[in-house]
Amino acid sequence: GEDVEQSLFLSVREGDSSVINCTYTDSSSTYLYWYKQEPGAGLQLLTYIFSNMDMKQDQRLTVLLNKKDKHLSLRIADTQTGDSAIYFCAEAGSARQLTFGSGTQLTVLP
Amino acid sequence: KAGVTQTPRYLIKTRGQQVTLSCSPISGHRSVSWYQQTPGQGLQFLFEYFSETQRNKGNFPGRFSGRQFSNSRSEMNVSTLELGDSALYLCASSLASSGTTGEQFFGPGTRLTVL
Repeated sequence: GEDVEQSLFLSVREGDSSVINCTYTDSSSTYLYWYKQEPGAGLQLLTYIFSNMDMKQDQRLTVLLNKKDKHLSLRIADTQTGDSAIYFCAEAGSARQLTFGSGTQLTVLP
Repeated sequence: KAGVTQTPRYLIKTRGQQVTLSCSPISGHRSVSWYQQTPGQGLQFLFEYFSETQRNKGNFPGRFSGRQFSNSRSEMNVSTLELGDSALYLCASSLASSGTTGEQFFGPGTRLTVL
């Protein structure tokens, strides 16, 4: 079945850029998403990209999609302590359901 | 515009009982999906409803069921609870009608603990 892989942990210094990477296997993916989850909370939709796009920028967030390699990345510019959370990559194929990665725990050090 | 709401936020049940969780989507959204989140299995798709019809179902036993009402509110039911059903149950709503998932907005979840 479809699979989405992410590295488990990332630590950065406050003010630096963070890059979270994700790979997926479903070649029929239409939408690819990035969600943020803080402790005890639900999932916050950060941004998404349609599969015919290469890049999407939204304020401090930049999403890059390499469809050939099935690789998605999320760059957070000027990372702040409030960005510390778990970040999930998800893809939507033809089945109208999201397949999630295991999440990347981002820790921002002062 | 109000976001996705889920009730109750927390539940404690014992093995063998049944439970009903509720989800109210964003106004105007007709698609509602349910996901289970556990530390071991991560986020897994349960089912998706659109206009009161279940369009898609994940790989969960028949103890997990759901329904959607004419006002797009959705409920999911778990019968004969097992310890392994302890999880955060998340509901997502979307404007998407057919073919694609569109923007999926999640609620805060219901934390179910089975003792």
